[in-house]
Amino acid sequence: NAGVTQTPKFQVLKTGQSMTLQCAQDMNHNSMYWYRQDPGMGLRLIYYSASEGTTDKGEVPNGYNVSRLNKREFSLRLESAAPSQTSVYFCASSESHSHQPQHFGDGTRLSIL
Amino acid sequence: GESVGLHLPTLSVQEGDNSIINCAYSNSASDYFIWYKQESGKGPQFIIDIRSNMDKRQGQRVTVLLNKTVKHLSLQIAATQPGDSAVYFCAENFQKLVFGTGTRLLVSP
Repeated sequence: NAGVTQTPKFQVLKTGQSMTLQCAQDMNHNSMYWYRQDPGMGLRLIYYSASEGTTDKGEVPNGYNVSRLNKREFSLRLESAAPSQTSVYFCASSESHSHQPQHFGDGTRLSIL
Repeated sequence: GESVGLHLPTLSVQEGDNSIINCAYSNSASDYFIWYKQESGKGPQFIIDIRSNMDKRQGQRVTVLLNKTVKHLSLQIAATQPGDSAVYFCAENFQKLVFGTGTRLLVSP
């Protein structure tokens, strides 16, 4: 039972490059989330998908786009990476949006040079 | 307690001791609280939650206490084990979930 799987685990990009972070869950959860975690700050919500076919902005959506490809998969795209987007990115899922994130992946560590 | 600074507060305990990790939350209207555990290089792991209409909730070796008067949340871990070493952070919910920065728990054998 894999839970929430994120790929890649590590990535280094140059400023201006684009990248898609992948996330998949095998728990048949309806809701999925993307967070970033920065030193000295709590997790911040970038985007979420309350159910298949819907996506909504979170607290820090600028510079990102998302796609809920199907019930299992929720991807995060950086169209033109900036150094300020250097962070650890976590994908999470929950049975429904009212449950809040219950299961997290192990993160993607992204550095923008 | 938690800190917004770059250096996490650290609680060091001996194996077998009871640990108490504290969290001060900001919004008196928050109606739901969660404790997470995050091991190095891993994603956060849900430990236990509590709704604002409760003062205490117990899980396996963990207890969460909620004091709404002073906006304080605590996580008690009984018989702490080396595997409990991690960063623990709380989250409060009022229309959206807001995460704290965490406390590092170090358990010595």
